[in-house]
Amino acid sequence: DAKTTQPPSMDCAEGRAANLPCNHSTISGNEYVYWYRQIHSQGPQYIIHGLKNNETNEMASLIITEDRKSSTLILPHATLRDTAVYYCIVRVVIQGQLTFGSGTQLTVLP
Amino acid sequence: DAMVIQNPRYQVTQFGKPVTLSCSQTLNHNVMYWYQQKSSQAPKLLFHYYDKDFNNEADTPDNFQSRRPNTSFCFLDIRSPGLGDAAMYLCATSREVGEEDTQYFGPGTRLTVL
Repeated sequence: DAKTTQPPSMDCAEGRAANLPCNHSTISGNEYVYWYRQIHSQGPQYIIHGLKNNETNEMASLIITEDRKSSTLILPHATLRDTAVYYCIVRVVIQGQLTFGSGTQLTVLP
Repeated sequence: DAMVIQNPRYQVTQFGKPVTLSCSQTLNHNVMYWYQQKSSQAPKLLFHYYDKDFNNEADTPDNFQSRRPNTSFCFLDIRSPGLGDAAMYLCATSREVGEEDTQYFGPGTRLTVL
C-alpha cells in the first residue's frame, strides 16, 4: 500500500473550516484516497473517498491535487463533535483491507 | 438502527483463559473484518471473511481464530490471551471488496486481560 503522511495533531476553532492535509506521494493510478475518523472509544467512521476528482458529501469535501500526491479533507464548519482522529488511507483493493496510518488528532476548540 | 453490533462492549478475561468476541450485522454484507487496535495505535487488520472464505493476514498470531457461521454473525476467538492481547477489537463489514466499497465499523469490544 502507498504510505500516507499526516500531521499528528491540529486545532481548529469551532465554526471555522478544518483543513486536514495528507501526503501520499507514492500513490498508484488505481488507488483511491479514503478518509475515516475515529471519535474516542468508538469505531472508525467513513467520511469520504475519491480517485482523481474533488468530492463533496454531507460531511466533508475532499480535494485531491492534480498529480494525486496529496489531498486535503475539509470540514466546512467544524463543531466540537468533530474532535477525533482523522485517518487518510490509500486503499489497495486486493483483499479489501484498510491499512490505517497514524492519523491526525483534530481538536475543535470552543 | 444499529448496523454492526458488537457484544459485549467490555470484556475482561484472565491470562490464558479462552475468550470469544461476537459481531453481528444487519446490512447483509458479504465481507466481515476483524481489526485489533491497541492503545494509542491505529487499527490493524487481523483477518476477514468474504462470504465463507477466510483470509488471514500474514502476521496475525495463531492464537487468534475466527468463525462465521452465517452471513450475519462473525466471532473472534482468542485461544490463550496474553497481556499483550489487551486491546480494542473492531468488527467491520462491507458489501464487497471493490475500490468503492465502504467499510462500516461496529463500536468495538475493549478486552482487558488480567
